[in-house]
Amino acid sequence: DTGVSQNPRHKITKRGQNVTFRCDPISEHNRLYWYRQTLGQGPEFLTYFQNEAQLEKSRLLSDRFSAERPKGSFSTLEIQRTEQGDSAMYLCASSSLGAEAFFGQGTRLTVV
Amino acid sequence: AQSVAQPEDQVNVAEGNPLTVKCTYSVSGNPYLFWYVQYPNRGLQFLLKYITGDNLVKGSYGFEAEFNKSQTSFHLKKPSALVSDSALYFCAVLSTSGTYKYIFGTGTRLKVLA
Repeated sequence: DTGVSQNPRHKITKRGQNVTFRCDPISEHNRLYWYRQTLGQGPEFLTYFQNEAQLEKSRLLSDRFSAERPKGSFSTLEIQRTEQGDSAMYLCASSSLGAEAFFGQGTRLTVV
Repeated sequence: AQSVAQPEDQVNVAEGNPLTVKCTYSVSGNPYLFWYVQYPNRGLQFLLKYITGDNLVKGSYGFEAEFNKSQTSFHLKKPSALVSDSALYFCAVLSTSGTYKYIFGTGTRLKVLA
């Protein structure tokens, strides 16, 4: 297993378009997390899954954001009607209970 | 509420000198504490963790961290800094009350000067 994989690495989109990002976690990890990071800031929690169940969603996440983890494997994060304020690095991480989280390389979103 | 504070935005140290990057935390219950490093345009890379046991934990690339329960601190240290250690460092706590999410500090930029 080569770690957490995120695709695409970069995405440029026009304001108002929808975008979808994919995360493939480490296969034996049952927890999967999405974070957002803006320049020079720490990662902000967005949502997390235990297996296929979405257990928490941050209040930062408007209803334009949705995440899924069908069958408890890969996850997708969709942003509808993108806004310039959505421009950020979107990080995915996975972990086993109580252990460290392993992060992917991130998807950098630029909304123009 | 559980939180992490990194009081220094930037730490400068000369190559070969010891370095310390500070972190304090606020949690209910026993803390699960972590340090991560981030290089430009990359994801976060795990360095070390404290779950239980010895207060001094050793991690990757010669880094170590000291857990101090009375001061609620988990400072990152290295005896001899390298220029290649220059990066952004994040302290994190795993919230274990109700939900299991990692809460990160705002980060400290470490600059090692040759």
